[in-house]
Order: sequence, then structure tokens, then C-alpha cells
Amino acid sequence: DAGVIQSPRHEVTEMGQEVTLRCKPISGHNSLFWYRQTMMRGLELLIYFNNNVPIDDSGMPEDRFSAKMPNASFSTLKIQPSEPRDSAVYFCASSAWGREIADTQYFGPGTRLTVL
Amino acid sequence: DAKTTQPNSMESNEEEPVHLPCNHSTISGTDYIHWYRQLPSQGPEYVIHGLTSNVNNRMASLAIAEDRKSSTLILHRATLRDAAVYYCILRPMGSGTYKYIFGTGTRLKVLA
Repeated sequence: DAGVIQSPRHEVTEMGQEVTLRCKPISGHNSLFWYRQTMMRGLELLIYFNNNVPIDDSGMPEDRFSAKMPNASFSTLKIQPSEPRDSAVYFCASSAWGREIADTQYFGPGTRLTVL
Repeated sequence: DAKTTQPNSMESNEEEPVHLPCNHSTISGTDYIHWYRQLPSQGPEYVIHGLTSNVNNRMASLAIAEDRKSSTLILHRATLRDAAVYYCILRPMGSGTYKYIFGTGTRLKVLA
């Protein structure tokens, strides 16, 4: 399996621009997670989906952030408008929730976002 | 959510065993103990998990105290590739409780 695929790997944009991060989970997994990692706050869960339905978005920082999962093979995290404080590494993870005792989460390589 | 406490950093010599401690004094009876690690410039990866008994896999061993208030991740022979941040996480069981709370973890430095 190719693992969790994220694109782009690096994104540099200017303040006020729209940013879209993409994730392809591992085939057959039913849960998908978006995390953000910064030096100051560490690794934070933003939102997670189960069977394409958002279950908990309490970690989404504000209305500028939105996430969608139109099908089992694809998810996006959008920031509009972007701000310099959104600069971070964004990770996507997937798991076979309920089908493995460990519910192990498999992480992608991340997207490093820099907002100037 | 039950919290975990880990040392900020540890050092080990290559080829020697490493014991990474984790305190979780408020653990509940249904919390699994998970360990993940994050290599430089990569996403976290699963290492091992357990509930009550000690566990072994190809990557590491997990020793869980009898009262479950602490656990230790054991790398039997550290290599330079084991240099990473190691996270101890409590995973509540049951529907609707699927949040991993990542703490600051332990940064392991392996000396050649």
C-alpha cells in the first residue's frame, strides 16, 4: 500500500490567499484525521471523519478553516483567508476504526504551510 | 481526558537499551496505552500498544506497571535511526472517544 498521501508537500502563500490541502487515506480505512503541528502547540487534532461524516470538529481553530470528505478516498482542508499564524505542518492520518483493536492511526508525510 | 507525563529528553548510546518512561496516574480501566514516535520531518508512526500485560513486537517492548499508573517503552538496542520524539498516549475505548491527545513527548537522542 502507498500509505496516506498528502499534497502538496510544501506550500508557500501570501496572507489572505486561499489554501487547500489534500489527503488520500489508505484504501479500506474508514476514518480520517487532520492534525496541525507547531513548535508552540505541538500536535493538535483539528477534525476527524468516520465513514466520510465529520464526527468532531472542535479542534478547528476558527471559521476560516473548513474540511470536507466527499468520498472515502479523498479529503481536503481549506483555509480562507490564510494568515501568518496558520503556518505549520498539517498532517492527515487514517485508520480502520473499529476493525482493529489498536485503531492504529497511519500518518501521511505532512504539508508544510508557510503564510507570508 | 487522562493525561500523560514524559521527560522532555533522553540520551542513549548506540547499541544500548533505552527505557522511556511515561506516567499516567489518572488512567481509567478502559484506557489503552499507545506509543507513537515521530522521526525528523515525518509524521508520527505507531510503535506499540497495551492494556494490562507487557507486550513485545519487532520494534519495541512495552512494560506496564501492575497498577497501570505508569509504563515504559523499551528499545532493546538503540540505533541512530531510533532518534525521534516518542509519544505516550492514552486511548479511551468506546464509541465517540477517539481523540488522541499528543503531549510534548520525549525527544530521544542516540549517540554514535
